[in-house]
Amino acid sequence: DQQVKQNSPSLSVQEGRISILNCDYTNSMFDYFLWYKKYPAEGPTFLISISSIKDKNEDGRFTVFLNKSAKHLSLHIVPSQPGDSAVYFCAAKTDSWGKLQFGAGTQVVVTP
Amino acid sequence: ETGVTQSPTHLIKTRGQQVTLRCSSQSGHNTVSWYQQALGQGSQFIFQYYREEENGRGNFPPRFSGLQFPNYSSELNVNALELDDSALYLCASSLSRGSYGYTFGSGTRLTVV
Repeated sequence: DQQVKQNSPSLSVQEGRISILNCDYTNSMFDYFLWYKKYPAEGPTFLISISSIKDKNEDGRFTVFLNKSAKHLSLHIVPSQPGDSAVYFCAAKTDSWGKLQFGAGTQVVVTP
Repeated sequence: ETGVTQSPTHLIKTRGQQVTLRCSSQSGHNTVSWYQQALGQGSQFIFQYYREEENGRGNFPPRFSGLQFPNYSSELNVNALELDDSALYLCASSLSRGSYGYTFGSGTRLTVV
């Protein structure tokens, strides 16, 4: 039962443009959401997060938006840079002990 | 400050065999979580260890077992390997069991033939 879904396996965007990655979830008990970035042959690294009590969190070029009524969150990267080419995972948690549920990931390719 | 180290990086095993994967947690972290990432799927939580005790388990059969040592490093053991166990196994350490600030290792790619 996949509670966190990333329906776009890949995204190609031109350098300088906006990348928008989407994530949907089914469990209304999720209280914290995170985005991880993964380069080949490396482990995922934390990128940005948002609590369920907020609808937006911004960190430099990265902004995460949360729409609780739609059970949807998105990650915006503006402007996109070649170094942003990676797989991005959306994750969510309900438990106080930090177990994460991950989406399948979206491969982002930023072209010159 | 060292990160999370996993060994081996790649492994090929035969169906029915047993395997042990190892993980050294980041300095100062006392909690280790293990995830299985099958090709094209999200990472599935296997279990978490906090101060040498299992602190939660996902939907995996008992042939998946683990250990955490006094230095907070950890092992994942899988008995009676099946073809579907082929996956990337990720270890993540965190400051404490309630922390979501995971540091992931680069994973062990297990292939069962």
